[in-house]
Amino acid sequence: QVQLVESGGGLVKPGGPLRLSCAASGFTFSDYYMTWIRQAPGAGLEWVSYISGSGSTMAYADSVKGRFTISRDNAKNSLYLQMNSLRAEDTAVYYCARMTIYYFYMDVWGKGTTVTVSS
Amino acid sequence: DIQMTQSPSSLAASVGDRVTITCRASQSISGYLNWYQQKPGKAPKLLIYAASRLQSGVPSTFSGSGSGTDFTLTISSLQAEDFATYYCQQSFNTPYTFGQGTKVEIK
Repeated sequence: QVQLVESGGGLVKPGGPLRLSCAASGFTFSDYYMTWIRQAPGAGLEWVSYISGSGSTMAYADSVKGRFTISRDNAKNSLYLQMNSLRAEDTAVYYCARMTIYYFYMDVWGKGTTVTVSS
Repeated sequence: DIQMTQSPSSLAASVGDRVTITCRASQSISGYLNWYQQKPGKAPKLLIYAASRLQSGVPSTFSGSGSGTDFTLTISSLQAEDFATYYCQQSFNTPYTFGQGTKVEIK
C-alpha cells in the first residue's frame, strides 16, 4: 500500500544540524512532488518546502530559507530535509507528504518525526 | 503571503448535527483550496481538494464549496469519528498556507 515513513528526528542543540528522511513505498516515487510540513507543539500546520519529481525545482518557506535544504533520491525512493542552524522555533513534528501537481494538494502523509531544539 | 482565516476556531456539536466551517483567503485563490482533518497525535488526512472534490474513501457526508476567497466545508450529519480539528490550505501559490484550524468537539 502507499506509505511514507519519516525518520531522523531527535533532540538537537540550537545551532546544530539534523537530517530527516522519508521512505516512500507503494507508488512511483519519481512521478510525484514531495513536501515537508511541520507542526509546532499545540500549533497549526506550517508548510516548509517542496521538491519536484525530478528534483529540479524546490521551494521553501521564508522561515527556513537558507537554513534547510530539501532533496530526493529517486533510486532509493527517499526524500530528505537537511536542517542547519536550528532554532528553538524549529521544534515541531515534521511530516512528509506526497503532493499532486493537479491543484498541489497533499494526498498521502507520513506519521511524522519529532524534532526538538533545546540546550 | 496569502492569509487563510477559518471560522469558527472551535465549535461544539452533537452526533447527527450539520456542521459548517468557513475559510477566507486574503486574496483570490480560484479553486486552489484543500481541507484536511487531523485527530490528536495523528497526521492530517485529506478530505476535499480543489475546493469541492471529495478525496477517495472519504464519506459523502463531507462536502466543500466556494471559489475566489470564500470557501466552506460542510459535514451533513456529524458522526462520532468526525470529532477532530479541520484545516483549510491554499495551494494557489507558495508559501502554501493553512488556516489556524477549527476544533470540532462533542456537545
